[in-house]
Order: sequence, then structure tokens, then C-alpha cells
Amino acid sequence: SQQGEEDPQALSIQEGENATMNCSYKTSINNLQWYRQNSGRGLVHLILIRSNEREKHSGRLRVTLDTSKKSSSLLITASRAADTASYFCATDETSGSRLTFGEGTQLTVNP
Amino acid sequence: DTAVSQTPKYLVTQMGNDKSIKCEQNLGHDTMYWYKQDSKKFLKIMFSYNNKELIINETVPNRFSPKSPDKAHLNLHINSLELGDSAVYFCASSQRGRGDYEQYFGPGTRLTVT
Repeated sequence: SQQGEEDPQALSIQEGENATMNCSYKTSINNLQWYRQNSGRGLVHLILIRSNEREKHSGRLRVTLDTSKKSSSLLITASRAADTASYFCATDETSGSRLTFGEGTQLTVNP
Repeated sequence: DTAVSQTPKYLVTQMGNDKSIKCEQNLGHDTMYWYKQDSKKFLKIMFSYNNKELIINETVPNRFSPKSPDKAHLNLHINSLELGDSAVYFCASSQRGRGDYEQYFGPGTRLTVT
């Protein structure tokens, strides 16, 4: 099974609302990254959080990491229609030398 | 300037054919990757090269052969294409071949095998 599993698989909200996506993983990690993929495009890096960090902010993005629960969340505040995309978490496992991507959450922000 | 570029963007071909996808990065990165994204958007790494040296080779059929002529280029050649090869293939690069560096992705190549 995959390292990263995301929840929910799909999320539909209204513009201005907050969107929260969750990622769970199974093994020990060095860091966790979040990426966005717009339809028909490549992935774009959003934020990286290291295993010794609990929370990180970047603009309207807030990422938390709970290594005891092996989970992370991505919060997008005051969402915009342009935030409509798929969001993926990716883990850098301590045992490996690559990123393992989750299944993604499809976020739709309705204007 | 495009950081990571791939050609072609779309590739439609018949079963049994051989095809290549090219990738170039102008970021000066040491490491390049090929990923396959299936119809459910699951992204799986296929290969990784660091300074032209193969460092990751997942369990991919040997019909797939990567080639890195220099550290700015990583091409993917696929022999005897099968229906199950239909997917979107992404090239990516990172400054170093470690998971604590962000990866920069190309726009993808949508391969359709008929």
C-alpha cells in the first residue's frame, strides 16, 4: 500500500471558505512536502515541513505535522477559485532516497 | 524561461511501437526523475538520475529505458508499447537527489496507446 494516503479524496467548498486536507503515512520520515497540480499541468511545490517542525506557514497556507500520529494537514485559508486543483503530500522516508506521493485530494472552490 | 520542459506534450501511438519522450531542465540541478501518473492521478516514481548516474530504478518493465546524455537531459525510451502504458509521464528535477529538496516538474506527456 502507499506511504501517503490523503483524506478527503475530494472536497468542494465556496470561495472564501477554508479548506483542510489531511495526509497520513506509515513509516518514519525526514520531511513531508505538499504539492499542487492544476488540471493538465505538472506538480508545483508548495511547502516543506521537516520532521522536527510542528507547523509552518506560507501565505494562505498552513501545514501541520504530527509525527506521533504520522499525519499532516494542509489548510488553505480564504480560498479562491484559482485554488481549484489536486493537492498531494509527499514523504521523504528515513529509509529511502526518494519522495513517495499520496493519492491526492481534489479541491474544487466554487465562485 | 521554462524550467523543466518535455516533448512531446501529447503522444498517440499504436501497440507495439517504440517511442521516446525528451526532458530538459535549465535549473542547473544534479538530479532528474521520471514519474508515471495513472488515470486515478496516482504518481509513481520510475527512475532517477544524479549527474548522469542511475540511482533509482523502480520495478519498471525493461521495455522502459532512460538515457541521460548530460545532467540537464533525461530521456525516456519505451519499446513495444502496450495499452497499459497509457498514462501521463512527468519529468522532474531537484538540486540534489535527496528527499529534502523540492522537485520541479515538467508539464507532462500524455501517452495514449491504441
